[in-house]
Amino acid sequence: ETGVTQSPTHLIKTRGQQVTLRCSSQSGHNTVSWYQQALGQGPQFIFQYYREEENGRGNFPPRFSGLQFPNYSSELNVNALELDDSALYLCASSSPNQPQHFGDGTRLSIL
Amino acid sequence: GDSVTQMEGPVTLSEEAFLTINCTYTATGYPSLFWYVQYPGEGLQLLLKATKADDKGSNKGFEATYRKETTSFHLEKGSVQVSDSAVYFCALTSANTGNQFYFGTGTSLTVIP
Repeated sequence: ETGVTQSPTHLIKTRGQQVTLRCSSQSGHNTVSWYQQALGQGPQFIFQYYREEENGRGNFPPRFSGLQFPNYSSELNVNALELDDSALYLCASSSPNQPQHFGDGTRLSIL
Repeated sequence: GDSVTQMEGPVTLSEEAFLTINCTYTATGYPSLFWYVQYPGEGLQLLLKATKADDKGSNKGFEATYRKETTSFHLEKGSVQVSDSAVYFCALTSANTGNQFYFGTGTSLTVIP
């Protein structure tokens, strides 16, 4: 059984740039959630995708957007990057009403 | 809205000591409760869960009991090991949250030999 994989593992960008992060969900899971984890904090929910549709969104601005593909993999896009966007971005996949399984995350640094 | 409050760390214990990490929650419905663990440089791993009142979740010597009367889900282990050093997160989800997970701020545990 393949777990949740995220790419890239590390990324450095500058303010104003755009970034795309990728996530392959665990086999059999049709739900993907994205979280932002700032240093020393718990993960904060960005949004969730279920069967290619957005299925809930946290308190993040519209410049955070996403996609889910027919194979249930997902992308997180962030436009107009700000310094405060520096964080670990975690992807989690699950089946409905089941625990979420997390990838190891993408560490995004904004200079 | 729904939320989770964890005891603040960091927590430092000697090997074989007893561990308690407190977690309380606020929820309008009947949430499921979880403990996740995060080792340095890694994502979160599910440690244990409980889906209804009085359920006890357990794994790798860790236990937590879902207490509806005190809205708590405290994590305990009778004898910690150096390998238990990590950050522990309490979390909840429910139909009221759209199955979104709400996490506490995490408690860092260091176990010294």
